[in-house]
Amino acid sequence: NAGVTQTPKFRILKIGQSMTLQCAQDMNHNYMYWYRQDPGMGLKLIYYSVGAGITDKGEVPNGYNVSRSTTEDFPLRLELAAPSQTSVYFCASSYSALAGAGELFFGEGSRLTVL
Amino acid sequence: GIQVEQSPPDLILQEGANSTLRCNFSDSVNNLQWFHQNPWGQLINLFYIPSGTKQNGRLSATTVATERYSLLYISSSQTTDSGVYFCAVGGSSNTGKLIFGQGTTLQVKP
Repeated sequence: NAGVTQTPKFRILKIGQSMTLQCAQDMNHNYMYWYRQDPGMGLKLIYYSVGAGITDKGEVPNGYNVSRSTTEDFPLRLELAAPSQTSVYFCASSYSALAGAGELFFGEGSRLTVL
Repeated sequence: GIQVEQSPPDLILQEGANSTLRCNFSDSVNNLQWFHQNPWGQLINLFYIPSGTKQNGRLSATTVATERYSLLYISSSQTTDSGVYFCAVGGSSNTGKLIFGQGTTLQVKP
């Protein structure tokens, strides 16, 4: 049981490049999340999904896009990378049969640097 | 949207001491979780506690939803307790959105 798997773990991008951070979970969780954490700061919600085909914006969605075509995968797309997107990105998932997320499980993070 | 404030921002303890971390939130919640981020950046779920009290070893948590706060108690602290403690809340009007506080950085000295 791998849990929440993020790839890549590290990446350096040039300004203006695009890339996709991959996130996969094998726990059959319906809720999935993307957060970013800047140095010395808390986690900011970028996007989240309550099920396949359903996504919604979080606190800081600008410059990012997501899709949720399957229950297992929740990729985060960065278009036209900017230095302000230098951060550590965390994917998380949870299961809930009720409204509202259950216990959240995190991946190990992806460290992105934009130069 | 819902606001989350954690206090204190920083805490330094001697090994063996007890501590209380607080999480205040600005609106009704149907979800509250506490996390520990270790010095290597890994985030571990400590408690899922939208209301009531739970205990897990030396750690316990209490959420008083009607008064919009939650407390995390650490007893007999150990150096391995060092790191950042976050609370995350989901408002009762939302279905899944979880917002994090800024965290409390704890350093336990031997």
